[in-house]
Amino acid sequence: DGGITQSPKYLFRKEGQNVTLSCEQNLNHDAMYWYRQDPGQGLRLIYYSQIVNDFQKGDIAEGYSVSREKKESFPLTVTSAQKNPTAFYLCASRDRLTYEQYFGPGTRLTVT
Amino acid sequence: EDKVVQSPLSLVVHEGDTVTLNCSYEVTNFRSLLWYKQEKKAPTFLFMLTSSGIEKKSGRLSSILDKKELFSILNITATQTGDSAVYLCAVGGAQKLVFGQGTRLTINP
Repeated sequence: DGGITQSPKYLFRKEGQNVTLSCEQNLNHDAMYWYRQDPGQGLRLIYYSQIVNDFQKGDIAEGYSVSREKKESFPLTVTSAQKNPTAFYLCASRDRLTYEQYFGPGTRLTVT
Repeated sequence: EDKVVQSPLSLVVHEGDTVTLNCSYEVTNFRSLLWYKQEKKAPTFLFMLTSSGIEKKSGRLSSILDKKELFSILNITATQTGDSAVYLCAVGGAQKLVFGQGTRLTINP
């Protein structure tokens, strides 16, 4: 059963703590992406990776970090430097031959 | 700076009406325009358009791209309550997509 999984679905953290969101895909896609969505807004790109061991900053990378050690996995760390971390986080992947991105179910992060 | 603008931001209609959602863009290295439907969680893919003037159709939904005027429209005919969602337009360069703010469509019975 191919697809993208994100865990956990809901995450609660205290301010000042780092937190890592998981994203795994078994679609054999080269490119992976992290987006943030705030209420009533579209998706904003945080980081993306076209290939293993390489990644680029998106439009709102400050306060976030990523790694891409395996093709299947692209975890996102929300650091304490991120001023407004409460949001819905979506991971996506894309086959290198098409432009369509496939999305995971998302993680809703609440920081208090 | 790449930009995608959707209009209207919000739309409320009655079941059975026809709606048109708009997406205009300014993107360097345009490769494709994609429409997604987002209900509660992850966006689901509707259409991808790469060529100007060719309509893509799926049931009651259809979309067309105008690369000269830099916009696309998404039409939904005979709307149903299940069409209520946020519709996202995204424009792709070689490596990444730029998303619009979305149009929140509400279909009242």
